Amino acid sequence: DAEITQSPRHKITETGRQVTLACHQTWNHNNMFWYRQDLGHGLRLIHYSYGVQDTNKGEVSDGYSVSRSNTEDLPLTLESAASSQTSVYFCASSEPDQEREVRDEQFFGPGTRLTVL
Amino acid sequence: AQSVTQPDIHITVSEGASLELRCNYSYGATPYLFWYVQSPGQGLQLLLKYFSGDTLVQGIKGFEAEFKRSQSSFNLRKPSVHWSDAAEYFCAGGRGNEKLTFGTGTRLTIIP
Repeated sequence: DAEITQSPRHKITETGRQVTLACHQTWNHNNMFWYRQDLGHGLRLIHYSYGVQDTNKGEVSDGYSVSRSNTEDLPLTLESAASSQTSVYFCASSEPDQEREVRDEQFFGPGTRLTVL
Repeated sequence: AQSVTQPDIHITVSEGASLELRCNYSYGATPYLFWYVQSPGQGLQLLLKYFSGDTLVQGIKGFEAEFKRSQSSFNLRKPSVHWSDAAEYFCAGGRGNEKLTFGTGTRLTIIP
């Protein structure tokens, strides 16, 4: 079955270190998204991609970067981790088929819990 | 600006009681609307979605939601909750540009 996976599931790092969170989907979806989930804020969009070589900033992109070299993967990099980036991170994907009745439906990975000390 | 609001941070209901979770949206035109559920330590699972047509939408696990344009609402309902329904529920909206805007979530607690 097609799925979306994230690794690692848990990560503890120190302030100032570079961290990369992996996201891999086998749906063959063109669209991929990264969110962070924090109490009282719900899910906030960090970065997203509509296809290979395409990346876009979301509402909370400062301190994060992504690259899209193939359809399956969208790694999220924290250039210099800060305590404010302690959060749960979710990756999602969707299919932009123009003929589907409802676009925008996203499929989520299990999440990565990141702690920055 | 587009927004989705979930006014209730936390709701507690008794097992077997009915449930209604509120969601209000603010968009220039009718958005696509979704309800997702998140069990502890898990990702988000789609419960149901609305695009157009019939304003009462049926979803998985016995949930339904009603779209009310006059009230800009898309409330989630279930006639009789089970202990396994305890989770966080998120309402989300989209405008066909592939991005979603999420509400802040409602945590549902079920008491025996």
